[in-house]
Amino acid sequence: QSVLTQPPSASGTPGQRVTISCSGSSSNIGSNAVAWYRQLPGTAPKLLIYRNNQRPSGVPDRFSGSNSGTSASLAISGLQSEDEADYYCAAWDDSLNGHWVFGGGTKLTVL
Amino acid sequence: QVQLQQSGPGLVKPSQTLSLTCSVSGDTVSSNRAAWNWIRQSPSRGLEWLGRTYYRSKWYKGYAVSVKSRITINPDTSKNQFSLQLNSVTPEDTAVYYCARTGEGGYFDLWGRGTLVTVSS
Repeated sequence: QSVLTQPPSASGTPGQRVTISCSGSSSNIGSNAVAWYRQLPGTAPKLLIYRNNQRPSGVPDRFSGSNSGTSASLAISGLQSEDEADYYCAAWDDSLNGHWVFGGGTKLTVL
Repeated sequence: QVQLQQSGPGLVKPSQTLSLTCSVSGDTVSSNRAAWNWIRQSPSRGLEWLGRTYYRSKWYKGYAVSVKSRITINPDTSKNQFSLQLNSVTPEDTAVYYCARTGEGGYFDLWGRGTLVTVSS
């Protein structure tokens, strides 16, 4: 059972806007920045969003992040077939001497 | 270009020790701006952070509570690498193991390619 809660699946059609939620607590999302990762089958997760809403160079502005209180969201606009992947949120958790926690992942299907 | 190259066996017998190494190129393990982590991923446990080591005038280590009694992460500055040792493994330790860097921003900005480790006799 992952500390951060994500919906197991999400879907959309090409061109649509999709959002993925990530719910945590005061010791993680409520206190620390959230990062989002995208993972394709057989590969390592890749950074998509950091510090809640910052994009690394090379990540299109179709991807955006936001957070409020103990929850965060990833939005993907102008959905494309290549966006089909697993998406994970992560945050530092201040409890238990500090540790990283992840969401269980959301599998995004482009219909 | 910074890269993390993982090495180690893909099969470990129950009760034995899992050992993996992550070689760093393009950065140094003794950097004051980075931390070096081990993370694993399995269908049953998802992504699970195992621990980290980092240098800030001296070496620090931190481990997940779930593995704290069995894990050791060590830096090797002479080879610019860091290692994972997980003792007394069981089939539940079967997973893909990743090494990863957290930079100044405090997020995982670089990952190794992953090593599938199977615990089986």
